[in-house]
Amino acid sequence: AQKVTQAQTEISVVEKEDVTLDCVYETRDTTYYLFWYKQPPSGELVFLIRRNSFDEQNEISGRYSWNFQKSTSSFNFTITASQVVDSAVYFCALRPIIQGAQKLVFGQGTRLTINP
Amino acid sequence: EAGVAQSPRYKIIEKRQSVAFWCNPISGHATLYWYQQILGQGPKLLIQFQNNGVVDDSQLPKDRFSAERLKGVDSTLKIQPAKLEDSAVYLCASSSSGIVEQFFGPGTRLTVL
Repeated sequence: AQKVTQAQTEISVVEKEDVTLDCVYETRDTTYYLFWYKQPPSGELVFLIRRNSFDEQNEISGRYSWNFQKSTSSFNFTITASQVVDSAVYFCALRPIIQGAQKLVFGQGTRLTINP
Repeated sequence: EAGVAQSPRYKIIEKRQSVAFWCNPISGHATLYWYQQILGQGPKLLIQFQNNGVVDDSQLPKDRFSAERLKGVDSTLKIQPAKLEDSAVYLCASSSSGIVEQFFGPGTRLTVL
């Protein structure tokens, strides 16, 4: 069975602070994808990043960075110098790399509030 | 490029009534998904279509939920009869062959009274 856990239900920080969103996953598959999605108040899930299980390189995109550690089954997301526009619910998700069924298994989400 | 379209955006019904949601995927995307997102939870897949065939409907409550994707483009999701616990946001997503990412629509927020 696959499972994604986002232990932080809600996080609130002041603008310009750095913040890290935690994601821990469980899977028996040897190859899989990990994702982060952002859900602003409008409701639409916005794709942020995808990592393959065989590529543990960390990635940085502007103020966003992702730390993938297979040894601890974690895929954490850091926002540097947070801004009010970063306020949203963030979801971590998992999917095996197989043909056919492409179900995304989501965590329960972390609601991030950036206060001015 | 137009994104995934869904309608209606909001729907309020009473329990035991029927309701239908519509989704138009991104042009050319062969795979279409319906997810259910209950308040405070992550989305859960209800059904996945590849063109007009069902790939995965293992989590679809088939006694009351049905979905179809005629002609492999638009899709409708129906609930009949609705229960209080069906109150949720219903998200439609699509993806293209060779592309891993799923692109989501704005969702339909259903309230069952």
